[in-house]
Amino acid sequence: NAGVTQTPKFRVLKTGQSMTLLCAQDMNHEYMYWYRQDPGMGLRLIHYSVGEGTTAKGEVPDGYNVSRLKKQNFLLGLESAAPSQTSVYFCASSFNDRSLDEQFFGPGTRLTVL
Amino acid sequence: KNQVEQSPQSLIILEGKNCTLQCNYTVSPFSNLRWYKQDTGRGPVSLTIMTFSENTKSNGRYTATLDADTKQSSLHITASQLSDSASYICVVSGGYNKLIFGAGTRLAVHP
Repeated sequence: NAGVTQTPKFRVLKTGQSMTLLCAQDMNHEYMYWYRQDPGMGLRLIHYSVGEGTTAKGEVPDGYNVSRLKKQNFLLGLESAAPSQTSVYFCASSFNDRSLDEQFFGPGTRLTVL
Repeated sequence: KNQVEQSPQSLIILEGKNCTLQCNYTVSPFSNLRWYKQDTGRGPVSLTIMTFSENTKSNGRYTATLDADTKQSSLHITASQLSDSASYICVVSGGYNKLIFGAGTRLAVHP
């Protein structure tokens, strides 16, 4: 099992450009999450999904969109990147709600917006 | 306000020594508390979970404690190894889909 994988690992964007981050999990988990990690701060939830075809906003959803067309994939989109979106992005999945169940994290995507 | 504060922010110890990392929280209601280990350039990995009724739980050389009355938890690492160099993140659950992450303690183990 590969667990949770993320692509790409690194990306540099110019302000205003768009991109999509892909997360895939092979554990048949219902719940999937996108976080951002910034220096000196805890992980913050961007969007999450409780099952195929469903998505919901987290703590910091502005400037991001997500889609969960297949159970194993969770996509995070930036329509018009801003320097404030420079961060490390982590995808995670869990069998049950994250407050009860262990989350399995991907290796992260380091995004720089110039 | 629900908060999780970890101390110290960073720590350097020599290989073989012990250390203790602290986590104080104000999350209410309280469901459980997890410690994650995050190696540089990797995602966090769960080390242990503590529920309200548990005081101590060990996972190899890692021992977590929880005092629900004072809302404090600690992670004790015994006989540190170079591979323990990582960030350790305390995460408190306050109910359904309510997780508050601490900023982490960055541990460096030197030979």
